[in-house]
Amino acid sequence: KAGVTQTPRYLIKTRGQQVTLSCSPISGHRSVSWYQQTPGQGLQFLFEYFSETQRNKGNFPGRFSGRQFSNSRSEMNVSTLELGDSALYLCASSLGSFENEQFFGPGTRLTVL
Amino acid sequence: GESVGLHLPTLSVQEGDNSIINCAYSNSASDYFIWYKQESGKGPQFIIDIRSNMDKRQGQRVTVLLNKTVKHLSLQIAATQPGDSAVYFCAENIGFYFGSGTKLNVKP
Repeated sequence: KAGVTQTPRYLIKTRGQQVTLSCSPISGHRSVSWYQQTPGQGLQFLFEYFSETQRNKGNFPGRFSGRQFSNSRSEMNVSTLELGDSALYLCASSLGSFENEQFFGPGTRLTVL
Repeated sequence: GESVGLHLPTLSVQEGDNSIINCAYSNSASDYFIWYKQESGKGPQFIIDIRSNMDKRQGQRVTVLLNKTVKHLSLQIAATQPGDSAVYFCAENIGFYFGSGTKLNVKP
């Protein structure tokens, strides 16, 4: 079956702009989690959605938001981009919880200039 | 491919040797742990998991050890192969927290 897909794969934005990233989970998976990965901070949890509801949230400012649609596809939005938002953004899907195996997408590489 | 391990501790081993990768977890309330492998340009991939009611769990060529007293996990890879070269992360269920990762280089 098809894996987790993320679009776009690469994105270049300038400070102050906003960006929307998309994640399509594996068919049948209802949980989608988002992570930010940087060389300095490693892999940091942003938030998790399950059945269109945000179920868990990490320690990121309100500029980072997300949503999930009825087909489980999820989007992540970052407003008022800062240079420090440059990172690889990964989404992962699972059947229902952290304790169900999470399958990661290839990520979206965001560069903020 | 993209590098995600620019500032990570690195473990270099010879092909065929055993590898041990260590991880300290942060929350004593965590009761479920996962090891992930991330190859260059790809997302993390599940390797093995362990619950806190276990001290050891074995998979194919991999073993995870859990020491709750000192909040420490280790991943042992037997007969390490070049294809094992990657960044390895441990993750805990409380806070969806991932460790900083260790880069494994396998020398042929």
